[in-house]
Amino acid sequence: GESVGLHLPTLSVQEGDNSIINCAYSNSASDYFIWYKQESGKGPQFIIDIRSNMDKRQGQRVTVLLNKTVKHLSLQIAATQPGDSAVYFCAEMDGNKLVFGAGTILRVKS
Amino acid sequence: DSGVTQTPKHLITATGQRVTLRCSPRSGDLSVYWYQQSLDQGLQFLIQYYNGEERAKGNILERFSAQQFPDLHSELNLSSLELGDSALYFCASTMENTDTQYFGPGTRLTVL
Repeated sequence: GESVGLHLPTLSVQEGDNSIINCAYSNSASDYFIWYKQESGKGPQFIIDIRSNMDKRQGQRVTVLLNKTVKHLSLQIAATQPGDSAVYFCAEMDGNKLVFGAGTILRVKS
Repeated sequence: DSGVTQTPKHLITATGQRVTLRCSPRSGDLSVYWYQQSLDQGLQFLIQYYNGEERAKGNILERFSAQQFPDLHSELNLSSLELGDSALYFCASTMENTDTQYFGPGTRLTVL
């Protein structure tokens, strides 16, 4: 759900449009990245992951892009649906633990 | 449904008290991770167990402790609770030799 204390950025998109959610990571040595979706009252749900030896990976309606030069990760959602409304987190692997970004709220307008 | 289960779903208690949160990993997963999600700190890693042994430690307070049992379920113990401990507590699990962590539904702890 929303995290008012962190003042999460919000992306509002029209149903059917494509969404792009961006994330900057901090550790240039990180070699594994994950995107999670969190709906209100639920735990983070795995969406897609990518290793640092790749710059693009596609799933069903989702694509993750990795730019190691500028330490940037993005999640593209094609044909966004109302059920995609949630908070989206990127995470980077630091040793054994995941370090999460603050999250982005995605609102889908019907 | 990730296959990770957590109980209880909600917990309301008073300052100074002690609580235990329980997590059962996905079948076959040996690693369990605990995370805290609060409004001001976001999702923070607390601790990891692998096959009963502590593997990694994050920003876990000394008042908090965890363990993983022979059946691989894990418990997170929170003691001398403070108002600021109110948060969502998640556990996640992974298979051996994989990095993808699958999260449970969480326990919402409210300290009054």
